[in-house]
Amino acid sequence: ELKVEQNPLFLSMQEGKNYTIYCNYSTTSDRLYWYRQDPGKSLESLFVLLSNGAVKQEGRLMASLDTKARLSTLHITAAVHDLSATYFCAPEDQTGANNLFFGTGTRLTVIP
Amino acid sequence: DTAVSQTPKYLVTQMGNDKSIKCEQNLGHDTMYWYKQDSKKFLKIMFSYNNKELIINETVPNRFSPKSPDKAHLNLHINSLELGDSAVYFCASSDSMVNTEAFFGQGTRLTVV
Repeated sequence: ELKVEQNPLFLSMQEGKNYTIYCNYSTTSDRLYWYRQDPGKSLESLFVLLSNGAVKQEGRLMASLDTKARLSTLHITAAVHDLSATYFCAPEDQTGANNLFFGTGTRLTVIP
Repeated sequence: DTAVSQTPKYLVTQMGNDKSIKCEQNLGHDTMYWYKQDSKKFLKIMFSYNNKELIINETVPNRFSPKSPDKAHLNLHINSLELGDSAVYFCASSDSMVNTEAFFGQGTRLTVV
């Protein structure tokens, strides 16, 4: 089974600061997703990364994928309070049925 | 219009009961899933269902059974509920087993007392 680790698990940062969330996974995959979950809500797809070296940006968030290192990052630039949420990475398990395996999640709190 | 909808949103029931959660998607997707999110927010896949093929996560107890009357519906039936089954259950769908971007329902919070 694909193992996925995110760090940090909890992140408290001030508005205006930058930070990176890391996602490591255990087996080969060249497709990875990032999701956002607000408290008590569903999961919303943020990014789809489809190949090695893929980089996607939306507003203050930028995601990248290094399939050789089995690593994806989610970089936050100049954080604002509205970004407070839990962020999950989910690589696709390409050794099996292509199911998504979710990381532990990173709970981000942006402090004004 | 809600793309992936689940009912009920909340479910409180006693140990030993049998319950079902319904899921419907109007996206025309071929693949549907059930995920379980525990109290620590860990999200684990339980089942995927594509073109009448069921892929089961082997860690899921056989008290859990998915039922798909058609491509747009994947219901989850749970027998003999246990305290440890308390969690939020999410239904999701994707275009196919190739395009796996998953779209999630709003979740069903199940509490077993």
